[in-house]
Parts: sequence; structure tokens; C-alpha cells
Amino acid sequence: GENVEQHPSTLSVQEGDSAVIKCTYSDSASNYFPWYKQELGKGPQLIIDIRSNVGEKKDQRIAVTLNKTAKHFSLHITETQPEDSAVYFCAASITGNQFYFGTGTSLTVIP
Amino acid sequence: ETGVTQSPTHLIKTRGQQVTLRCSSQSGHNTVSWYQQALGQGPQFIFQYYREEENGRGNFPPRFSGLQFPNYSSELNVNALELDDSALYLCASSLETSNRGTQYFGPGTRLLVL
Repeated sequence: GENVEQHPSTLSVQEGDSAVIKCTYSDSASNYFPWYKQELGKGPQLIIDIRSNVGEKKDQRIAVTLNKTAKHFSLHITETQPEDSAVYFCAASITGNQFYFGTGTSLTVIP
Repeated sequence: ETGVTQSPTHLIKTRGQQVTLRCSSQSGHNTVSWYQQALGQGPQFIFQYYREEENGRGNFPPRFSGLQFPNYSSELNVNALELDDSALYLCASSLETSNRGTQYFGPGTRLLVL
């Protein structure tokens, strides 16, 4: 089955700096890649997603890039704010029903 | 906040017991997926229900079973609980025919098995 690896496991940045989280996947058939933000005591919240026919997608301060050849995708957060502090998960899906998640990145934005 | 709700929020059981967790999907969503999230890990796919039928299953034993009702709400049942079943159980709903694959998660049920 699909295997998703996520790095780094923890990330600390100064407020206003950028944060980058990277994921790799193993199955070239994967075609949908969502990113989720999980705050303490809550379920994961979808923040951005990208499909395999697109190389980059941006939504305000958040962007995701996809390199199908290398089988990796990245989340970029610019102008980080303290409320961006949370655990971020990447995921990959082939069929749209079963999602394979990375192990998460704990992001801390230092004011 | 998504429109996905789960109950109960917390639950404590002993080894060998059975548990039922419930999920109400977001309005208009006909697909519900269940995930197990161990502490410090990403969610692991258990199974998905689409229009009351199982539509995919992850690497979980048969003692994990589910149901989906005509109103698209869903239950997760776990028999013969083991200590390793302690985790956050998440359900996610999606509208299969629109933005296919986009899943919206509920807040989860935290299960502790003693």
C-alpha cells in the first residue's frame, strides 16, 4: 500500500517567518493530496489540497507544491502567526476513499 | 468548524469489553470514513461507508465493524477491546460526487482501554 513520510516532526519559527513541511509518497497512482491542521483536542481541519494535474496551489498565506516525478509535495506557510501553531498532517489518496497520512509536524510559531 | 459530530467525546472501557462510537455526517454528505489516531501519530484508515455499504477497509481486524444508516450517520463497533485500541477515533464525511475525496473530520472520540 501507499506509504507517506513527513518531515520535520517538529518545527519552530519566529513570527513572520516562513515554514515549510515536506512529504513524500510511494505509490505513483496517488492523485489527491490534502493537508490538515489539527489543534489540541480537535479533529483535523482541511486547510488546502492539490490534485495530481496541478503543480501548485495557493490560498492566501498557504501554498502547496507537488512534484509528481519525485513523488513529493510540500506545504508552505508565509508570514506565520502564533495561531498557525498546531500539528500539520499531509495525506495521499489513490481512490478518494482511503487516505494515507503522514506522521505529523508540530509547528510552533514564536511571538 | 465542520458539521460532523461525534459521540461520546470520551470513553473509558476495560479490556475485553465492546464499544460503539457514533458519527453524524455533514448535511448532504453520503460517505463516512473512520480513522484511528494513536497518540503522536497520523490517522490510520479503518473503513469507509458509502450509501450504507462498506466501500474500502484498512488493515484492521474483523472485530472492528461498522454501520451506516439511511440518514448517512454511522457507527463504529469494536469488540474484545485490547489495550492498544486506546486512541482518538475520528470520523470524516464527504460528498462523493462533488470535490471527490475531500473529507471533513469531526472532533473525535477519545477511547481509553484499561
